[in-house]
Amino acid sequence: DIQMTQSPSSLSASVGDRVTITCRASQSVNSNLNWYQQKPGKAPKLLIYAVSSLQSGVPSRFSGSGSGTDFTLTISSLQPEDFATYYCQQSYSPPPTFGQGTRLEIK
Amino acid sequence: QVQLVQSGAEVKKPGASVKVSCKASGYTFTDYYMYWVRQAPGQGLEWMGWINPNSGGTDYAQKFQGRVTMTRATSISTAYMEVSRLRSDDTAVYYCARVYSGSGGVRFDYWGQGTLVTVSS
Repeated sequence: DIQMTQSPSSLSASVGDRVTITCRASQSVNSNLNWYQQKPGKAPKLLIYAVSSLQSGVPSRFSGSGSGTDFTLTISSLQPEDFATYYCQQSYSPPPTFGQGTRLEIK
Repeated sequence: QVQLVQSGAEVKKPGASVKVSCKASGYTFTDYYMYWVRQAPGQGLEWMGWINPNSGGTDYAQKFQGRVTMTRATSISTAYMEVSRLRSDDTAVYYCARVYSGSGGVRFDYWGQGTLVTVSS
């Protein structure tokens, strides 16, 4: 199985900050990389698919980049509703595997 | 609009079985695979398997082989996931998630609200 490793595991930031989360795959996943946001007690929500495509309704302050094995999720200006846990997920090779998550907390 | 509505929380004793349902609406049920993912308390997301609602075909993660059964009832647009021989470490929130496969690749575009299964003696 392809292993997905996110860094950092947790992150403290303030409203208005620019934040970057990194995801590394144990082997190339081409462009088959998705990002999800999960708030406490809620199901994950698809934010970005295919590295950089925003899911419908997702604010443009979210962006993704990368290719092969290294990917990033960037939030350009943190809003209060963005404090959550973020997961990357590869869909290049079954089974689909997730990163361990990055918890974004308010500083 | 697309909705996946799961059955309610369950409390089970070790060794028992649990069956979770996931009712789909707002789209053609048989057009999209359904995956099941679980999340233990404070932990990450773990893929359990999938079902093709059209054919009934399934595939399970190796760690769940022999303990998990996924089925569907197309007449009521509902997917089911049953776990047998429950252990305390099966305590988790279980999610169904619809898979979109197309331009831009495969992704989980809609999720159920989750079903908490607690295994305790």
